[in-house]
Amino acid sequence: EPEVTQTPSHQVTQMGQEVILRCVPISNHLYFYWYRQILGQKVEFLVSFYNNEISEKSEIFDDQFSVERPDGSNFTLKIRSTKLEDSAMYFCASSDSNNYGYTFGSGTRLTVV
Amino acid sequence: LAKTTQPISMDSYEGQEVNITCSHNNIATNDYITWYQQFPSQGPRFIIQGYKTKVTNEVASLFIPADRKSSTLSLPRVSLSDTAVYYCPSEGNKLVFGAGTILRVKS
Repeated sequence: EPEVTQTPSHQVTQMGQEVILRCVPISNHLYFYWYRQILGQKVEFLVSFYNNEISEKSEIFDDQFSVERPDGSNFTLKIRSTKLEDSAMYFCASSDSNNYGYTFGSGTRLTVV
Repeated sequence: LAKTTQPISMDSYEGQEVNITCSHNNIATNDYITWYQQFPSQGPRFIIQGYKTKVTNEVASLFIPADRKSSTLSLPRVSLSDTAVYYCPSEGNKLVFGAGTILRVKS
């Protein structure tokens, strides 16, 4: 069964540092998403990406965040200057339609110290 | 704005059938209804999707009445490994997850 792959599985970074979270979506999917889940809380939408541009973003996705699809396979989330409250699980997802089931990756646990 | 409501938690025993109901407020005409499962420290996993009536796959059934204001996820003969959080996110251009239903299966 096709998978969405995320790397690294766990990243620890110091406050103020930049981090890049990487995702390899399913190859024939066209829609890409980032979500995050703070420990004990619900899964929150960050951003959706289609046709090489952001389709929609949430209030969480401020100027510190950016996404990129640098080549035909990778989809990245960059946090420019991390804050303690950015500590969370970050999930990448992809789908072949914007109203069909998403496939989520296993996540990157980001810890900001 | 579309929003879903579901019970916070449910308890069951191994071998029982579990039904989790979700209310879909302001569901759009062209939105599908989907259910996801999440284990601790893992991403949500797609379980099943439907638009109307009943859909069944190898793990679950989904019942959707004609008015589409609710849906019921049915898990036949649950086992301990079905202990997880179950979500019926609202749709539109993106999935919006609520708190989900924590299902605890006991032996």
